[in-house]
Amino acid sequence: ETGVTQTPRHLVMGMTNKKSLKCEQHLGHNAMYWYKQSAKKPLELMFVYNFKEQTENNSVPSRFSPECPNSSHLFLHLHTLQPEDSALYLCASSQRAWAGTRLAGGIYEQYFGPGTRLTVT
Amino acid sequence: DAKTTQPNSMESNEEEPVHLPCNHSTISGTDYIHWYRQLPSQGPEYVIHGLTSNVNNRMASLAIAEDRKSSTLILHRATLRDAAVYYCILFEEVGGSQGNLIFGKGTKLSVKP
Repeated sequence: ETGVTQTPRHLVMGMTNKKSLKCEQHLGHNAMYWYKQSAKKPLELMFVYNFKEQTENNSVPSRFSPECPNSSHLFLHLHTLQPEDSALYLCASSQRAWAGTRLAGGIYEQYFGPGTRLTVT
Repeated sequence: DAKTTQPNSMESNEEEPVHLPCNHSTISGTDYIHWYRQLPSQGPEYVIHGLTSNVNNRMASLAIAEDRKSSTLILHRATLRDAAVYYCILFEEVGGSQGNLIFGKGTKLSVKP
């Protein structure tokens, strides 16, 4: 148990559906992240929120829409997905994403949730 | 690009030490070296990190070369539970005020009873 929970754990959706993934952290952290893990690719960073502000959008298609209403919750809204979007979607949190200097920013380990296994049919 | 190079896979026997190597020849002077591992059907888990000096914690030790171009994660006594993919990651600056973990393919460690 890492203190980061994700729901649902499994999701099957059609290409015309709209669904949302939810992540919640109970660690008092200020930064939250969405990652995508496909079968044949390394873990890919998608979005970063630091103190509820989006600080990174790693060229993610607009059919993925993140929302961070507060430092403890992170959502990923999905619409009109493609079969190639099928993957494990992981949420993570850390004390903060950036401390203003490279040196300080390198020390904040990330805590990952168990992921949502998404299948787009 | 991940900027680290690791063997694709390694095997170990239970209760023996394991040395997982990582090359990062283009490391910058203030890049931290992070190690994470991912057990089957789970999200990645933080293992250890370091900058210049060797580091120890309850999970592992991290030995960093003097020139910082390589490092080794040491599991002192491998257990079956240590079978996982181990990622060596440089905390990478993105732009002028942002840093992120960039994962590579990692090393898949198998532990034999």
